[in-house]
Order: sequence, then C-alpha cells, then structure tokens
Amino acid sequence: SQTIHQWPATLVQPVGSPLSLECTVEGTSNPNLYWYRQAAGRGLQLLFYSVGIGQISSEVPQNLSASRPQDRQFILSSKKLLLSDSGFYLCAWSPGTGAYEQYFGPGTRLTVT
Amino acid sequence: EDQVTQSPEALRLQEGESSSLNCSYTVSGLRGLFWYRQDPGKGPEFLFTLYSAGEEKEKERLKATLTKKESFLHITAPKPEDSATYLCAVQAGWGAQKLVFGQGTRLTINP
Repeated sequence: SQTIHQWPATLVQPVGSPLSLECTVEGTSNPNLYWYRQAAGRGLQLLFYSVGIGQISSEVPQNLSASRPQDRQFILSSKKLLLSDSGFYLCAWSPGTGAYEQYFGPGTRLTVT
Repeated sequence: EDQVTQSPEALRLQEGESSSLNCSYTVSGLRGLFWYRQDPGKGPEFLFTLYSAGEEKEKERLKATLTKKESFLHITAPKPEDSATYLCAVQAGWGAQKLVFGQGTRLTINP
C-alpha cells in the first residue's frame, strides 16, 4: 500500500529565516506530487505540482519554491519567510495516469513569528 | 475560471438527524468531482470520486450524488464521529490533474 510522509509536523520560524519542508511517498512509482497551503478555516490553495523529476509548475507567484530531486521526494523551500507564509502545508500525490484522486499527507503547521 | 462553492459554511445536527451538504461548481469540462473529510490538524481523507451526472457513491452513512451543476453529500443518521470538515473539489480540463477546492463545510454532530 502507498504511504505519504511529511516532516516536520510543526515548525515555528522567525521572519526572514529559510524554510525546507519535505514530503516522501512510498509504495508507488512516478506519482504526480502537489504542495498545498491551507489558511485557518479556509480551503486548499495549490502552490506547486510536479509530474516528474525536475519538473515543477508554479500556481501562485510568491517567495516559495519547490524541487523534486527524486521520483518520490518533493521539497518546499523559501530563502526568507514572511509573516504571510504561516499556515498548514499539505503534500499530496496521485497516480500518474488513469485515476485522478489525490491522497494527502499529515501536514506541517508553520508559524512565522 | 473554475470555481467551487460549498454551503452551508457550518452545520450543527443532533445525532441521528439526517441532512445534506451542497457543492456547486462552475468548470469548463468536468473530469471528476471529489469529496474529502478533514479532521482538525490533519490532512484531508479521500471519500468519493464522481465522474458523470447521475452517478452516486455510498460509504457507511454517507452518500454522494452529482448533477451537471452541483453535488450533494447526504448524511443519514449521523453519529458524533462524523463531525469533521467536508471538502469538495473538482478536476477540470486536461493535463496534470489539478484540483480546485471549495472552502468546506464544518459539520458538528451533537450527542
């Protein structure tokens, strides 16, 4: 069966500090990978998605970036965090072809102070 | 632009009191509509996929239906453990399977 991991679970960072959130998927090959952000009491905003190693598409212009160094690894980064970057960050995967549903990880709660 | 609107924003029911949640959508070329359940502080849990108008899916006390403009999530005789936020999402067009999410309905079932 497939499993998706995210870490860390919670993170408190000062404004201007760098960020690195990691997501890995087990039990599948060549998945599509996604990063979402969820503000308190709101829906999910798609930030980045990837259909393969090194292939990243950005949905929202901002100070975040994403990378996919391996088939089942997806990393969300920032060089300098802003207060507005606070939120609940979710990684998701879906099969590369055929089925369309996405499966989510446990999330990372980021607070920028 | 593809849009998804869920109503109501919040719903309180007594245990055993059946009701429905609504998801209205505007998309160009619906490929699929998805329902998720999200508990506080956790990632969304996949429930159903609906692909065409008239389709229905059931899981325990939940039944999802789809028309050309909206989807309903019917909850029959709910229990307190059904309390959660329910999210609706649509996939439109062709390409990398991007989903557009609604804001969710926060459901509370009182014992």
